[in-house]
Amino acid sequence: DAKTTQPNSMESNEEEPVHLPCNHSTISGTDYIHWYRQLPSQGPEYVIHGLTSNVNNRMASLAIAEDRKSSTLILHRATLRDAAVYYCILRDWAGGYQKVTFGTGTKLQVIP
Amino acid sequence: EPEVTQTPSHQVTQMGQEVILRCVPISNHLYFYWYRQILGQKVEFLVSFYNNEISEKSEIFDDQFSVERPDGSNFTLKIRSTKLEDSAMYFCASRGDRVVGGYTFGSGTRLTVV
Repeated sequence: DAKTTQPNSMESNEEEPVHLPCNHSTISGTDYIHWYRQLPSQGPEYVIHGLTSNVNNRMASLAIAEDRKSSTLILHRATLRDAAVYYCILRDWAGGYQKVTFGTGTKLQVIP
Repeated sequence: EPEVTQTPSHQVTQMGQEVILRCVPISNHLYFYWYRQILGQKVEFLVSFYNNEISEKSEIFDDQFSVERPDGSNFTLKIRSTKLEDSAMYFCASRGDRVVGGYTFGSGTRLTVV
């Protein structure tokens, strides 16, 4: 599986934008970039995914570099509820049933 | 919004006993998964299930583990003879028919083996 690299932790002030980086220099052409998050004492939660173009949904935006070797999850206005571990995960769509495999992620702390 | 429901939220069992963890996936989903997370560690894949059979399993998912979808709605994980090291949060997940779709996870069952 292609690997991702994320910072272990980040801090953000409440109501400010947060940019969570992810490096995936060995990404293949059929890998989708997925983001999940895990709030304290809860199960993981799907956030967003993309292939080449930037994506927006109600939770976040995903900015993908032109060479696809890195991506950034953007939370436009961090709230205390956004404090969680954020996981950047590659999934090969050609693999059919390929499972989601979690790494250690980035622990985001939101400061009031 | 549709949810994946897991019961019980917390189960305490004695070493060597059998436990069954239950999950009700989202009704029109086709793919089902079990993951576990030992306290302070990563979320680990256990097994995936599609079309009434296991499609993939990890090394953790040995002969002590089994999964079943007995009635078209429930999805269960059975551990035949629990060990202390089976103590963890167990998460069920499901997804629809889009290959690249996101998973929906339940809130987990905390299993404590004493």
